[in-house]
Amino acid sequence: SQQGEEDPQALSIQEGENATMNCSYKTSINNLQWYRQNSGRGLVHLILIRSNEREKHSGRLRVTLDTSKKSSSLLITASRAADTASYFCATEGGGSQGNLIFGKGTKLSVKP
Amino acid sequence: DAGITQSPRYKITETGRQVTLMCHQTWSHSYMFWYRQDLGHGLRLIYYSAAADITDKGEVPDGYVVSRSKTENFPLTLESATRSQTSVYFCATAGYPGSSYEQYFGPGTRLTVT
Repeated sequence: SQQGEEDPQALSIQEGENATMNCSYKTSINNLQWYRQNSGRGLVHLILIRSNEREKHSGRLRVTLDTSKKSSSLLITASRAADTASYFCATEGGGSQGNLIFGKGTKLSVKP
Repeated sequence: DAGITQSPRYKITETGRQVTLMCHQTWSHSYMFWYRQDLGHGLRLIYYSAAADITDKGEVPDGYVVSRSKTENFPLTLESATRSQTSVYFCATAGYPGSSYEQYFGPGTRLTVT
């Protein structure tokens, strides 16, 4: 089954810096989603980018998609301590029922 | 409006016992999912359901049973718990199928099998 793989596995930055996380996937997709997971909590949807889109913004988040390279990146600008979390990309699974396949995530630590 | 809830939040059980994890949603979403999250594996889909009485296996269904008699509930049963089933379990819902739509996750159940 196809799966997104995030890179790096862990990232530590200072507050105010930008954080960039990457996701690579194996087969063609229709859409790609990014989720955030705070420690001890469930995942929360951040943003969805469609295969015909190259870039999308939402507040301090910027997502890019390069279908030729089968990769996506999530940029968080001017990071805050509250951005400390794990970030996952998700693409459609192979089933017909609408499931998603998640990568293993990037653990972001933002130090005040 | 609680949205999606899971119970219990924490559970310790012994090997061989039957355990049921509950998931309840108030949105009337058609699609519901069970994932397990383990270090080094990310989230893996156990079972999913498109509607009441319609369920299907995901990536790691062995040792688990699901049912969905009502739209709002999607219980996950471990018929005979094993230590390898120690994990954090997440239930999720979606109003529509496919990657065009986001999934909404519950807070998770941390299960320890001793």
